[in-house]
Amino acid sequence: AQTVTQSQPEMSVQEAETVTLSCTYDTSESDYYLFWYKQPPSRQMILVIRQEAYKQQNATENRFSVNFQKAAKSFSLKISDSQLGDAAMYFCALLSETSGSRLTFGEGTQLTVNP
Amino acid sequence: DVKVTQSSRYLVKRTGEKVFLECVQDMDHENMFWYRQDPGLGLRLIYFSYDVKMKEKGDIPEGYSVSREKKERFSLILESASTNQTSMYLCASSFRVQDVSQETQYFGPGTRLLVL
Repeated sequence: AQTVTQSQPEMSVQEAETVTLSCTYDTSESDYYLFWYKQPPSRQMILVIRQEAYKQQNATENRFSVNFQKAAKSFSLKISDSQLGDAAMYFCALLSETSGSRLTFGEGTQLTVNP
Repeated sequence: DVKVTQSSRYLVKRTGEKVFLECVQDMDHENMFWYRQDPGLGLRLIYFSYDVKMKEKGDIPEGYSVSREKKERFSLILESASTNQTSMYLCASSFRVQDVSQETQYFGPGTRLLVL
């Protein structure tokens, strides 16, 4: 079984500042992939960023980057220059090579961006 | 753009009623999924389907069934709704990929179901 844990139910950040959302996971698989999904208030969830476990280099997508610590099984999301549109629920998710297309999601972190 | 639509945004049903939640995707995706989303629990997989007429149980299938008669449509059925099935239900779809690292699920807007 694999698990994903997000220990911060809520976070807040001032506009233009940087915030980091935490995620830890557990899996016995050697090949797996990690994702951050964003669910804005309109509720349509979208993929923000993905990371292959075999890659040492941290993934980046514009203002979004991850800090992937494989030994610690940690996968945090950093949002730089936060914007009001970043306010959303963020979910960390894990996909293993043997699970097919089945994602395991964390509990979610509600991010508030203050003007 | 990929579009995943769900038949209702809000639904109110009575205990014991049979409830149908419909999901349609327009991108010819092979995979389709039903999740329920509850505060503090994240998303939990109820059922998924890799192809027409195929279904697989997810992590919490009890009290639910599904139907996939056409590739674009995946229905979630609550045979006899109960109050503990009050939740947000999210549908998703994705292509079947050789390289699972490229897996991207596209989500519908969700259906908030209240069972009284």
